[in-house]
Amino acid sequence: KAGVTQTPRYLIKTRGQQVTLSCSPISGHRSVSWYQQTPGQGLQFLFEYFSETQRNKGNFPGRFSGRQFSNSRSEMNVSTLELGDSALYLCASSGGRGLSEQFFGPGTRLTVL
Amino acid sequence: GQQLNQSPQSMFIQEGEDVSMNCTSSSIFNTWLWYKQDPGEGPVLLIALYKAGELTSNGRLTAQFGITRKDSFLNISASIPSDVGIYFCARRPQGGSEKLVFGKGTKLTVNP
Repeated sequence: KAGVTQTPRYLIKTRGQQVTLSCSPISGHRSVSWYQQTPGQGLQFLFEYFSETQRNKGNFPGRFSGRQFSNSRSEMNVSTLELGDSALYLCASSGGRGLSEQFFGPGTRLTVL
Repeated sequence: GQQLNQSPQSMFIQEGEDVSMNCTSSSIFNTWLWYKQDPGEGPVLLIALYKAGELTSNGRLTAQFGITRKDSFLNISASIPSDVGIYFCARRPQGGSEKLVFGKGTKLTVNP
């Protein structure tokens, strides 16, 4: 089975721009969660999508949004980028039934200049 | 109650030594997870624990879910250079949410 894939792997943007990151979950997985990883704050939960609906949301501003398509692929969008948005953005997929385990992709390294 | 306290923050050991790290929380919950992250990669699940007192092994790794349900430890025996990386504990809130809360990580360096 192919693992979780994320594109692009690296991205450089400037302040004020917006960015869209993509995640393809493991085949058969219906839940996709997004996390932000920074040296200062560690791994922080952004949101989770299940069957095209946002099921959980972390404490991030409205500039961070996401969506999920009928094939379970997910995108997250960050608008009006700030320097502090520079981070590794990780996507995790799971079966979505509570105790199912989450498997992470390699992440997208976003640098905001 | 949302925070996980993971210690130590970093460890420098010689190849062949055993390693122990732990996580504690002020809240109780149903799941402890241990992940390892290599540089430039996403975390990889090492061990999942679902019951208080549960002791689970995965090769040279052993993890236990504390009896109080507020702590967990991970042991690595006979460390090798490829054990280098950052180890994270994580927990899932009660109710089965997919939202994971992570500890700050333990950075392990193994000197050959």
